[in-house]
Amino acid sequence: AQSVTQPDIHITVSEGASLELRCNYSYGATPYLFWYVQSPGQGLQLLLKYFSGDTLVQGIKGFEAEFKRSQSSFNLRKPSVHWSDAAEYFCAVAPGGYQKVTFGTGTKLQVIP
Amino acid sequence: GAGVSQSPSNKVTEKGKDVELRCDPISGHTALYWYRQSLGQGLEFLIYFQGNSAPDKSGLPSDRFSAERTGGSVSTLTIQRTQQEDSAVYLCASTQGHGNTEAFFGQGTRLTVV
Repeated sequence: AQSVTQPDIHITVSEGASLELRCNYSYGATPYLFWYVQSPGQGLQLLLKYFSGDTLVQGIKGFEAEFKRSQSSFNLRKPSVHWSDAAEYFCAVAPGGYQKVTFGTGTKLQVIP
Repeated sequence: GAGVSQSPSNKVTEKGKDVELRCDPISGHTALYWYRQSLGQGLEFLIYFQGNSAPDKSGLPSDRFSAERTGGSVSTLTIQRTQQEDSAVYLCASTQGHGNTEAFFGQGTRLTVV
């Protein structure tokens, strides 16, 4: 069965600084990969997804993520963080076919002025 | 419907009582998930329904928890003999079923056991 690890439970960055949130997965083949964001008091929203092709994918709100097969990683990045990016971020992995999506435990991002 | 709908949005119950939480997925979505999000915690998988297949109940924390999905659409999560540690936000999500499709989440039900 697949698994997802988000090693950082909580990250604090200054507004305007760059951001990288880590995600590692365990699966025998290349899965489908997702990042979701949960803003305070809101539901989860899809940021971006990777299925195949270009390993650097662009998402909403200026986020991007890079799939690295050799490292089994799908890290989320943003060059300059805004205060409104403070939220909880979840990485998710899904095998092909009609199989269960597995979510990581999340990384809570705090943005300081 | 336009999105995943959960009801009630808030529920306060006394310890020992049973509660039912409802999820209306997006029409046509064959897969439905329940998650629990305790204060300050991440997503805890509870149960997964996919079409007419037997549900994946591997995340249910105890036999006090159960869920059903009627007619491949609406789902009800039931917690019997609630305990204070059951207090959390219960989230429901649905997808078109295939792994490459986006999961759409409801706003959740905040359960408080007093």
